[in-house]
Amino acid sequence: RKEVEQDPGPFNVPEGATVAFNCTYSNSASQSFFWYRQDCRKEPKLLMSVYSSGNEDGRFTAQLNRASQYISLLIRDSKLSDSATYLCVVGGSQGNLIFGKGTKLSVKP
Amino acid sequence: GAVVSQHPSRVICKSGTSVKIECRSLDFQATTMFWYRQFPKKSLMLMATSNEGSKATYEQGVEKDKFLINHASLTLSTLTVTSAHPEDSSFYICSAHNREPGNTIYFGEGSWLTVV
Repeated sequence: RKEVEQDPGPFNVPEGATVAFNCTYSNSASQSFFWYRQDCRKEPKLLMSVYSSGNEDGRFTAQLNRASQYISLLIRDSKLSDSATYLCVVGGSQGNLIFGKGTKLSVKP
Repeated sequence: GAVVSQHPSRVICKSGTSVKIECRSLDFQATTMFWYRQFPKKSLMLMATSNEGSKATYEQGVEKDKFLINHASLTLSTLTVTSAHPEDSSFYICSAHNREPGNTIYFGEGSWLTVV
């Protein structure tokens, strides 16, 4: 089983749609979880950290289910500028990051 | 805010030559930096952990004699790809760990290496 697994997509949605990404991780001892956004040929940028209680930042909501080792990201009212690859990321034991392959989102007018 | 600078952003080199990529933390000291590699349509994969003042820790399958890492100061780590081959062409990116405040990881802008 891969350490971090995501549906690669692509997800093609119209503007204004709500889209959800899911991710599973294999190491039950993992302590930190993130969603990163990566635009084409650019470095990944932190979108939000993910907490057990769930957290929301504007149109973005992240959820963590430790029992199922499952992380989700919900994007509401999607914008053209949301088009990117969304990376599910789990913190490693040495301070490194373990990346999923990413889910590509394309928001169309 | 804290910034990690990576240089060069793009480099083309001939097979058999060596290429050095620098990663600098601009306003914080990073005792640990990480080097990742991303092949097209693949995920970012950790290559090695660079520790200031000591030897780097390499991930399984990454040749330490081919990918030389030097972390000689608290703000600079370098990755040298030695005897580069076309299959080394990839996106290389570093990150630096700022333990204060908030234990944040910052990424460099990445370096595109093309070996011809």
